[in-house]
Amino acid sequence: ETGVTQTPRHLVMGMTNKKSLKCEQHLGHNAMYWYKQSAKKPLELMFVYNFKEQTENNSVPSRFSPECPNSSHLFLHLHTLQPEDSALYLCASSQASGDQETQYFGPGTRLLVL
Amino acid sequence: GQNIDQPTEMTATEGAIVQINCTYQTSGFNGLFWYQQHAGEAPTFLSYNVLDGLEEKGRFSSFLSRSKGYSYLLLKELQMKDSASYLCAVRDSNYQLIWGAGTKLIIKP
Repeated sequence: ETGVTQTPRHLVMGMTNKKSLKCEQHLGHNAMYWYKQSAKKPLELMFVYNFKEQTENNSVPSRFSPECPNSSHLFLHLHTLQPEDSALYLCASSQASGDQETQYFGPGTRLLVL
Repeated sequence: GQNIDQPTEMTATEGAIVQINCTYQTSGFNGLFWYQQHAGEAPTFLSYNVLDGLEEKGRFSSFLSRSKGYSYLLLKELQMKDSASYLCAVRDSNYQLIWGAGTKLIIKP
């Protein structure tokens, strides 16, 4: 399944580093999402973009900065992260149609903050 | 608050049947999803229920009762490859997905 791709798959960074996560969807969808997945916790929605416009920001700290240059690409810029930000970061896309609107996920970036 | 409850872990035997339950309390309801997630991989869509009743898809079936705030995922003829986490998610009145923490299913030979 290569509908939604994410790079890198693994990332180790220090608290003073700046890095970016990339997501690309090849499904022709018009909505994209960033989620955080921590062990034994529900998926946490971070950001939503519809037609390149950010429509949700669920009280995410400013050290996470999303960017959506077009409907196929989504970035998550990271700076001065904390160890508790270590998690799996998942990107998803969907076709906003008001109906089933199933979200399709990428494989995620496993982030470790030291 | 909004809440999705599902068991943390279940164990079943290869070839058997297992039922994974999900109960929810959400502000509104616009559909319920089940996803499968193998360790280190993306969650993949399994089923969608918006009306009461049973939806069958091969070895997997999903049931919904909106009046009870309850769903289950039924897996038949279990195979070792079914070892994974199963995530329940409900779309609320704002069309946001509210996720459960997932049920880790362990299949033993």
